[in-house]
Amino acid sequence: AQSVTQLDSQVPVFEEAPVELRCNYSSSVSVYLFWYVQYPNQGLQLLLKYLSGSTLVKGINGFEAEFNKSQTSFHLRKPSVHISDTAEYFCAVCSSNTGKLIFGQGTTLQVKP
Amino acid sequence: DAGVIQSPRHEVTEMGQEVTLRCKPISGHNSLFWYRQTMMRGLELLIYFNNNVPIDDSGMPEDRFSAKMPNASFSTLKIQPSEPRDSAVYFCASSLRTDNEAFFGQGTRLTVV
Repeated sequence: AQSVTQLDSQVPVFEEAPVELRCNYSSSVSVYLFWYVQYPNQGLQLLLKYLSGSTLVKGINGFEAEFNKSQTSFHLRKPSVHISDTAEYFCAVCSSNTGKLIFGQGTTLQVKP
Repeated sequence: DAGVIQSPRHEVTEMGQEVTLRCKPISGHNSLFWYRQTMMRGLELLIYFNNNVPIDDSGMPEDRFSAKMPNASFSTLKIQPSEPRDSAVYFCASSLRTDNEAFFGQGTRLTVV
């Protein structure tokens, strides 16, 4: 079985400040990890993914995430946020065995001027 | 490619009626997922298919829900009979089993009155 926990339901931050959105997962098999973003009334878009190799992955819009196997975490970071980053962010885990893709509960990032 | 196409975008129906949601995955993709999104429960995986075969339907809430994938380019999610608690946004997503990056449709907003 696999599960994903996003530790913060809402993260308020001021514009140009750094931000970290936390994600922990559990799985009995090896997994692939993803972060998606959802803007209001839209579907989900991929920000970045970890399949293998370097544990630091860079994505679109200046976001990056680090895979930490010992802590079973995949936290998302951005050094300086913009108003346009205000959205819902989802961490997801995919079983390498079955391809089953499940999502965390989501974190609402609120960027204030 | 036009991406994952879902229809209809919005559906309003009366309790007890049958509802059919449709999805056309990206050409060449061999995995297809159906998700339900609500404020209370977040993004829930209902069912997913590999090569048109249902792999895991443990997320289907009850027997009123059924999903089919008769060929690689089409899938349906049917609710019969519908109930007000089925009101949600339903997303379809597809991916290549080789890298598991899921692409989402725009969703169908279902309201059961």
